[in-house]
Amino acid sequence: EVQLVESGGGLVQPGRSLRLSCAAAGFKFDDYAMHWVRQSPKKGLEWVSSLNRNRATIAYAESVKGRFTISRDNAKNSLYLQMDSLRVEDSGLYYCASGNVIGHWGRGTLVTVSS
Amino acid sequence: DIVMTQSPDSLAVSLGERASISCKSSQTVFHSSNNKNWLAWYRQKPGQSPELLVYWASTRQSGVPDRFRGSGSGTDFTLTISSLQAEDVAVYYCHQYYKTPYTFGQGTKLEI
Repeated sequence: EVQLVESGGGLVQPGRSLRLSCAAAGFKFDDYAMHWVRQSPKKGLEWVSSLNRNRATIAYAESVKGRFTISRDNAKNSLYLQMDSLRVEDSGLYYCASGNVIGHWGRGTLVTVSS
Repeated sequence: DIVMTQSPDSLAVSLGERASISCKSSQTVFHSSNNKNWLAWYRQKPGQSPELLVYWASTRQSGVPDRFRGSGSGTDFTLTISSLQAEDVAVYYCHQYYKTPYTFGQGTKLEI
C-alpha cells in the first residue's frame, strides 16, 4: 500500500522559512515523479512543484519560483520542500503526491503564515 | 497557463441516478506524442485527500468502480457517475498534466 506522510508544517511569520518533508513507502520511490500540491479555501487545489525521478526535470508554479526549492533523497525515500520568504498567501494544506500522473496523495501538512 | 473550468459548481442528484460533470480547458490537452488527453479526474470526500479516479481522460484507476466513466477529447471532458452511491458525496476536480504549470478545475460539489 502506498503511504505518503508529510511533516514540517506549522505557524510562521511572513518572511520566515519552513521545510516540509514527505516520507514515502509501499512503492519504488525512485521510479516516480513526486509533487507538492497545496489547497486553500480561497484558491482550491494549486500545484506547487514537481520533480522527476532522477531530478533532471524540476518545475515550479510562478507564485513560488525563486522562494521554494523541491528536492528528493531516493536513498531515504523522501521528498522535501524548502519554503523561504513565506507570504500570507502561501498558507494552506500542503500535500505530497506521487506518480507520473498524480496518483497518490498524503494527508497533508498545514502551513499558516501570519503575523 | 491552461485554465480548467468545471460546470456546474454544485449538483444535487438522487441515489441511483446519473451525475455528469463537465470540464473545459482553455487549450487542448491532447498530445500527439502518445495520442492521449493529459486529463485526470479526482474525488475528494469530506475531510480526506483527493483520490485519483480517471487518467488519460478515460482510463479508470485500479480499484475505481465502473460506475465512473471519463470521456471527451481536446478541450471538452465529462465525468459521468452512472448510479450515484452515498459514498460519492464529494467534491470532484479535473486536472491537466499536459504542461506546467499543472492546473486544476475549481471543483464541483456533488450532493444527494
